[in-house]
Amino acid sequence: EAGVTQFPSHSVIEKGQTVTLRCDPISGHDNLYWYRRVMGKEIKFLLHFVKESKQDESGMPNNRFLAERTGGTYSTLKVQPAELEDSGVYFCASSQDNTEAFFGQGTRLTVV
Amino acid sequence: AQSVTQPDIHITVSEGASLELRCNYSYGATPYLFWYVQSPGQGLQLLLKYFSGDTLVQGIKGFEAEFKRSQSSFNLRKPSVHWSDAAEYFCAVGPLSGTYKYIFGTGTRLKVLA
Repeated sequence: EAGVTQFPSHSVIEKGQTVTLRCDPISGHDNLYWYRRVMGKEIKFLLHFVKESKQDESGMPNNRFLAERTGGTYSTLKVQPAELEDSGVYFCASSQDNTEAFFGQGTRLTVV
Repeated sequence: AQSVTQPDIHITVSEGASLELRCNYSYGATPYLFWYVQSPGQGLQLLLKYFSGDTLVQGIKGFEAEFKRSQSSFNLRKPSVHWSDAAEYFCAVGPLSGTYKYIFGTGTRLKVLA
């Protein structure tokens, strides 16, 4: 069974550009989460989907970040326009219930 | 406020030595507790979790952790470290009441000397 898959694994973009990160959760998992780790800091919650609905987006930094999960399958996280402080590792996770989340390998975003 | 503290940013041990990684949490009730590991180029892998019951939990790769309510701690241990254990380790609590949110510590990077 495939785990949580994230694309791309690395992305380097210039300040002001747009980047879209993708997450494919484990098949059948209704819950999908985005987290972010800025260098040297803790991994922080961004938002939570249940199927296609946003349940909690309290961790989204600002309106330059837009997450979608059309059809309740894969999710995208778009940053537009990217700023230097957006650099970090973006993790996606999925779960069947609230006992354990399975994480992807992360997307390392570097904004220069 | 809920928080997780991992006081050791870096730890270096010799192969074959014992290991203990510290984790303290602040939360109003007993949360679910987790240890994750991230090896280079890999995602976060669950090592073990505590929900209730026996306070000493066994995980994968020979790791164990002990929940101590009085100390709000959930320290990770391994009796004999292998070179392949070199990685970054994260303690987490969650899901928090009413949400599916996890709170992570800042991580402890483990270096293993041959």
